[in-house]
Amino acid sequence: AQTVTQSQPEMSVQEAETVTLSCTYDTSENNYYLFWYKQPPSRQMILVIRQEAYKQQNATENRFSVNFQKAAKSFSLKISDSQLGDTAMYFCAFMKHAGPTGANSKLTFGKGITLSVRP
Amino acid sequence: NAGVTQTPKFRVLKTGQSMTLLCAQDMNHEYMYWYRQDPGMGLRLIHYSVGEGTTAKGEVPDGYNVSRLKKQNFLLGLESAAPSQTSVYFCASSPPGLAGGDEQFFGPGTRLTVL
Repeated sequence: AQTVTQSQPEMSVQEAETVTLSCTYDTSENNYYLFWYKQPPSRQMILVIRQEAYKQQNATENRFSVNFQKAAKSFSLKISDSQLGDTAMYFCAFMKHAGPTGANSKLTFGKGITLSVRP
Repeated sequence: NAGVTQTPKFRVLKTGQSMTLLCAQDMNHEYMYWYRQDPGMGLRLIHYSVGEGTTAKGEVPDGYNVSRLKKQNFLLGLESAAPSQTSVYFCASSPPGLAGGDEQFFGPGTRLTVL
């Protein structure tokens, strides 16, 4: 079974600064996907960024980028130029590479980290 | 295009009562999921479906049943509610994709309190 660990329960950052959220995972799989989801106070889950394990290049989406270290099983999220709207809970999640029946399309989530952006 | 919708948004039950949560998606997605979110626990998978007429157990299935009679709907039932089922419930859907790894689209959640 896969496990996802987010050891920091809370973080705070000043507006316009950079913050890094940590995530580690444990798996015996070689092919898989990693995700960061954002949950603002509205409670809506929003995909921030996705990484495919077979790709060495780190994924980026505008101000969001990841540092994917496959050997270390580490997947951190860097938020640059933090904005007040980035205040939310962030979840790291793991998904195994799907088989033909789709049985492996399940997400395993970490416990989340609450990020506060200070004005 | 409404995406994923959930009914109801809030509900209070007494111990032993039953209820059904409805999830609907208009994106023609094959896969649908039910999660529960508890403080400090992240999201945990209850049941999921890989297509109309199919269901499977997730990580925490006890006390819940599901049905997927129509592709666009996924129902979560609580036959005899217990206080331990107080939680926020999320439905999600995703396309199958060639190899998986597709984004799951989430509904707005249902906050359920069992007294």
